[in-house]
Amino acid sequence: SQTIHQWPATLVQPVGSPLSLECTVEGTSNPNLYWYRQAAGRGLQLLFYSVGIGQISSEVPQNLSASRPQDRQFILSSKKLLLSDSGFYLCAWSQQGKLFFGSGTQLSVL
Amino acid sequence: QQQVKQSPQSLIVQKGGISIINCAYENTAFDYFPWYQQFPGKGPALLIAIRPDVSEKKEGRFTISFNKSAKQFSLHIMDSQPGDSATYFCAAIPNSGGYQKVTFGTGTKLQVIP
Repeated sequence: SQTIHQWPATLVQPVGSPLSLECTVEGTSNPNLYWYRQAAGRGLQLLFYSVGIGQISSEVPQNLSASRPQDRQFILSSKKLLLSDSGFYLCAWSQQGKLFFGSGTQLSVL
Repeated sequence: QQQVKQSPQSLIVQKGGISIINCAYENTAFDYFPWYQQFPGKGPALLIAIRPDVSEKKEGRFTISFNKSAKQFSLHIMDSQPGDSATYFCAAIPNSGGYQKVTFGTGTKLQVIP
């Protein structure tokens, strides 16, 4: 069966520090991968999606970037975090018409 | 035109009652409508989904009602239980877009009280 791993579960970082969140999917090949952000009490905002290795599409201009170095690995990064980057970050993958989310990373930028 | 409007923002229901969450859309290109359930601190999980060629889909206590002419769809939770307390998101996906073109509603926080 397919599983998605996302870590860390929680992260507290100072303003101006770098960020790296990692997501891996098991049990499937060539999935579409996504990074979402969810602000407290808000909906889901699509940040990036990828249809293949090295193929990244950005949905909104921001302080973040994404990379897909391997078929089932998706990384969200920032060189310098801003206060506004705080939120709940979710990795997801889709196949055959269904979208599956990871357990999320709660990022607090202080 | 890409928005999906979801209401209410929050909902309190007695145990055993019916919870109803509504969504409306404008884009007639949407052709797949999933609902997601999210518990605090967890990622959303697919609950149930419908395509516009049917007016209703039922899975256990969860039912989606779909009104294509009104461009509205709703989630009904029958015999609501405290374990159903979560945030629910509706979503809509266009026939040519895939999930990179998904539009989510803003969510409804449901609390089922004993």
